[in-house]
Amino acid sequence: DVQLSESGGGLIQPGGSLRLSCATSGFTFISHAMSWVRQAPGKGLEWVSAIGGLGAGAHYADSVKGRFTISRDDSKSTLYLHMNSLRVDDTAVYYCAILGGDWGPGTLVSVSS
Amino acid sequence: EIVLTQTPLSLPVTPGEPASISCRSSQSLMDSDDGYTYLDWYLQKPGQSPQLLIYTLSYRASGVPDRFSVSGSGTDFTLKISRVEAGDVGVYYCMQRREFPITFGGGTKVEIK
Repeated sequence: DVQLSESGGGLIQPGGSLRLSCATSGFTFISHAMSWVRQAPGKGLEWVSAIGGLGAGAHYADSVKGRFTISRDDSKSTLYLHMNSLRVDDTAVYYCAILGGDWGPGTLVSVSS
Repeated sequence: EIVLTQTPLSLPVTPGEPASISCRSSQSLMDSDDGYTYLDWYLQKPGQSPQLLIYTLSYRASGVPDRFSVSGSGTDFTLKISRVEAGDVGVYYCMQRREFPITFGGGTKVEIK
């Protein structure tokens, strides 16, 4: 069974930093592209970032480019999202996802003073 | 970026009756290199993360009943539910992964009349 489990969310002040993690199991992590998708309260889905499998590159939404960094540790089957210079409008549930596949339950990031 | 327009925004349905949701793309979602159309459909049930229904235009995800199907090609697509059940309520999203940035439709909320 494919399992995705996000962690690392919480309440953070504007300008702060946070690192999200996504622990995975049940599939060959190293060969899968992975993504982060977020959903602001009461809103639709917004793709944030993706990283390819087998050494392929990373892509970012314009809204997070230069502030967020996606990375992966294939030895741990874990995906990360490093978030810097957080803004109030980054408040959302962040999902780890195999696009065209399974998603995790999400972790809530609240940016507020 | 590729814009996906979903209609309707809200869809009241009667159990046992058919339902359909439209997703129109600003560009073709077919990859000319491999011939695949990279359009997926997700259902987000209340309080849950999105779950994959259909991937790569017409492939049903594991466990998805054959009441769900997709028609269309290129830029115009329709998700069809042959006989709606009470458990089908939630917000349906189309998503393109033909190119970056990955984009989603605005969502269609399906509710029982």
